[in-house]
Amino acid sequence: EVQLVESGGGLVRPGGSLRLSCAASQFTFSSYEMNWVRQAPGKGLEWISYISPSGSTMYYADSVKGRFTISRDNAKNSLYLQMNGLRVDDTAVYYCARDRSGGDIWGQGTVVTVSS
Amino acid sequence: SYELTQPPSVSVSPGQTASITCSGDKLGDKYACWYQQKPGQSPVLVIYQNSQRPSGIPERFSGSNSGNTATLTISGTQAMDEADYYCQAWDSSFWVFGGGTKLTVL
Repeated sequence: EVQLVESGGGLVRPGGSLRLSCAASQFTFSSYEMNWVRQAPGKGLEWISYISPSGSTMYYADSVKGRFTISRDNAKNSLYLQMNGLRVDDTAVYYCARDRSGGDIWGQGTVVTVSS
Repeated sequence: SYELTQPPSVSVSPGQTASITCSGDKLGDKYACWYQQKPGQSPVLVIYQNSQRPSGIPERFSGSNSGNTATLTISGTQAMDEADYYCQAWDSSFWVFGGGTKLTVL
């Protein structure tokens, strides 16, 4: 089954760091653009980052630029999101999604809670 | 930055047609897609490239995009279609989401 599985979420203090992972299976991961999307409690979807298939091109939403870094390891079929300088308003479910004319495959999400 | 606007809520009776709109400047010049999200679940792509249905999505889901408005239409709406729906388009390579519409089937 084609799937994405996120991990790495948890509770962290403001100013802290977390690294999220997204493991891909049953498709040629290296051929696809990938994105991270988050959803704060009771809120809508927010795109936060994009990476090209080779990993050479990355984009970020203004809300996370300079604090978050997207990366990928095609040999390990994995996508990452390094999150530094976390703030209370970064609290959300974080999803990775494969881009194929839209997000055709999404992971189950991992919860990040930023609280003192 | 590019913005997409959706109505917060839409109500429909079972068996009737539901239409959810998504507005953005010259949206018709871009591709739009639509996601369905039920409580506690990940989003599911129901329409891509304005009007294409992924495999496994029922035929009652259809889409259009022209001018400044994309529309998701659900014909013969069923109780299982009650969910939040999000439109999405591209601003350069950035995904942009609408604020979401809660579809109530009553």
